[in-house]
Amino acid sequence: SAVISQKPSRDICQRGTSLTIQCQVDSQVTMMFWYRQQPGQSLTLIATANQGSEATYESGFVIDKFPISRPNLTFSTLTVSNMSPEDSSIYLCSVETEGEQYFGPGTRLTVT
Amino acid sequence: GQSLEQPSEVTAVEGAIVQINCTYQTSGFYGLSWYQQHDGGAPTFLSYNALDGLEETGRFSSFLSRSDSYGYLLLQELQMKDSASYFCAVRDRGSGNTGKLIFGQGTTLQVKP
Repeated sequence: SAVISQKPSRDICQRGTSLTIQCQVDSQVTMMFWYRQQPGQSLTLIATANQGSEATYESGFVIDKFPISRPNLTFSTLTVSNMSPEDSSIYLCSVETEGEQYFGPGTRLTVT
Repeated sequence: GQSLEQPSEVTAVEGAIVQINCTYQTSGFYGLSWYQQHDGGAPTFLSYNALDGLEETGRFSSFLSRSDSYGYLLLQELQMKDSASYFCAVRDRGSGNTGKLIFGQGTTLQVKP
């Protein structure tokens, strides 16, 4: 299994600012995934982060808006840049280990 | 492209059995997973089917028919704590077993006394 923590758990931010979300895993993993879950909606993959290489972004998500860092095998950050109210969502990181995917508790972001 | 369909809402009473269906269309297929998410919580893994048939884990079972592109999650002896959203998810072909998942829209299960 994997235990994942995220910081902050929630935040309220002003339009035009940026927020960096941290994700820490209790074991080394090759890939980490960042998802977005808008209110009442399903999970949508933003990007896949490998240690030592640039993240791979899904259609509709770009690096300028969602820069990701992956400095080592247990940590990653996702930045939500130049925020607008449409970015209000829960952001979750996840990892796969032993065939199962584990999710962090999420960061609930509200943009005003 | 990939798409998954599941009912948006299901209601059942305590002690009953409920089945949540999921049909999928994918360019490739490596397996069907099920996740449970309580309001305000993180999704938690329930089950994974890579091959046809039924997988049983306690009160929960999951079924897959690859030829029909169909699966279901069966919840038995429902309890109030089972009230949650349930998501089916498939692995994307391009990622193989790297963990990239495509999620359905989720089914909200309400268990009534």
